[in-house]
Amino acid sequence: SQTIHQWPATLVQPVGSPLSLECTVEGTSNPNLYWYRQAAGRGLQLLFYSIGIDQISSEVPQNLSASRPQDRQFILSSKKLLLSDSGFYLCAWSPPRDRGPYEQYFGPGTRLTVT
Amino acid sequence: AQSVTQLDSHVSVSEGTPVLLRCNYSSSYSPSLFWYVQHPNKGLQLLLKYTSAATLVKGINGFEAEFKKSETSFHLTKPSAHMSDAAEYFCVVNPVIMNTGFQKLVFGTGTRLLVSP
Repeated sequence: SQTIHQWPATLVQPVGSPLSLECTVEGTSNPNLYWYRQAAGRGLQLLFYSIGIDQISSEVPQNLSASRPQDRQFILSSKKLLLSDSGFYLCAWSPPRDRGPYEQYFGPGTRLTVT
Repeated sequence: AQSVTQLDSHVSVSEGTPVLLRCNYSSSYSPSLFWYVQHPNKGLQLLLKYTSAATLVKGINGFEAEFKKSETSFHLTKPSAHMSDAAEYFCVVNPVIMNTGFQKLVFGTGTRLLVSP
């Protein structure tokens, strides 16, 4: 069966510091990968998606970036955090298009607090 | 544009009574529809999905939803609420499957279910 891991689970970082959040999927190959942010009291905002290594698209311009160094690893980074980057970050995966169905499966999330 | 509307931001029920969480969607063609549940400080868990097969969909933990095209609705129900059902519930539509394989989900704003003893 497939599993998705995120770490760290919680993170407190000062403004201006760098960020690296990691997401890893097990039990599948060539998944589509996604990063979402969930701000307090608000819905989910899609940040990045990737349909393969070196194929990453950004949905919202901001000071965050994403990378996919391996097929099942997705990294969310920032060089300098802003207060507005605080939130709950969720990684998700879905099967490649030719496998269907198309629901996404979410990781446990990372709670980021920027102070 | 495709969208989902969750008609209630909060729903309160007593333990053992039925649950109804309402969702309406807007789509120019037959979408895939999902319900997810999120407990505090946890990720989203898929409850059930509709992908143009049976209109009555059964999910985990006793939940089910009925796809009604004529009403553009996909309401979530459960016959008897349990304390552990207290959580945030999201109705989600997957209207776009691009040639690249990208599948963009459109999330509702969520309904918080409160269950009292």
